[in-house]
Amino acid sequence: AQKITQTQPGMFVQEKEAVTLDCTYDTSDPSYGLFWYKQPSSGEMIFLIYQGSYDQQNATEGRYSLNFQKARKSANLVISASQLGDSAMYFCAMRDTGNQFYFGTGTSLTVIP
Amino acid sequence: GAVVSQHPSWVICKSGTSVKIECRSLDFQATTMFWYRQFPKQSLMLMATSNEGSKATYEQGVEKDKFLINHASLTLSTLTVTSAHPEDSSFYICSARDVLIYEQYFGPGTRLTVT
Repeated sequence: AQKITQTQPGMFVQEKEAVTLDCTYDTSDPSYGLFWYKQPSSGEMIFLIYQGSYDQQNATEGRYSLNFQKARKSANLVISASQLGDSAMYFCAMRDTGNQFYFGTGTSLTVIP
Repeated sequence: GAVVSQHPSWVICKSGTSVKIECRSLDFQATTMFWYRQFPKQSLMLMATSNEGSKATYEQGVEKDKFLINHASLTLSTLTVTSAHPEDSSFYICSARDVLIYEQYFGPGTRLTVT
């Protein structure tokens, strides 16, 4: 069964606008971690933000914030004030109690000048 | 932050030859490393879990005799693609788990092209 679902294969956003990338997950583990990674054309996986399942507040890292809705099992990434350099693939991932990662299929974000 | 390196960053080889890819944790020890494969415009797929001093654990559908993994030290794991074929052309990414703080860090990836 698919553990991580990203329903948006491609997204466009105007420069300086905010964009939300969707991610839903499926697990019965009480403890898990949710991650977002950015993968530019170079291929490197760049860690953006982390949310623990027991964290009460939504994680934020600069222009990135994670909209964590535990009951809905969603962990959407919000990028504020988009920049041209934000154009890349974005992967949502979940780490289970066995410390194994499960990745979504990714969303290709294009920032339009 | 912790750094994981991969060598080479890209390699082109002829069909039938073997290719070795190294994954090193540069400033931490990693008893466990993970190998992923990513085809163009697709997600990362876990191939195997590499454990220092013991045999690797392969995911279903991954041929262990074709993708040889050796994790001989706490800072180095190697993936050898034996008798490579064009369908093995892919982006191979490793990640290493810090033995002290249990965090995982990804390497920059190795792009393999088999001609």
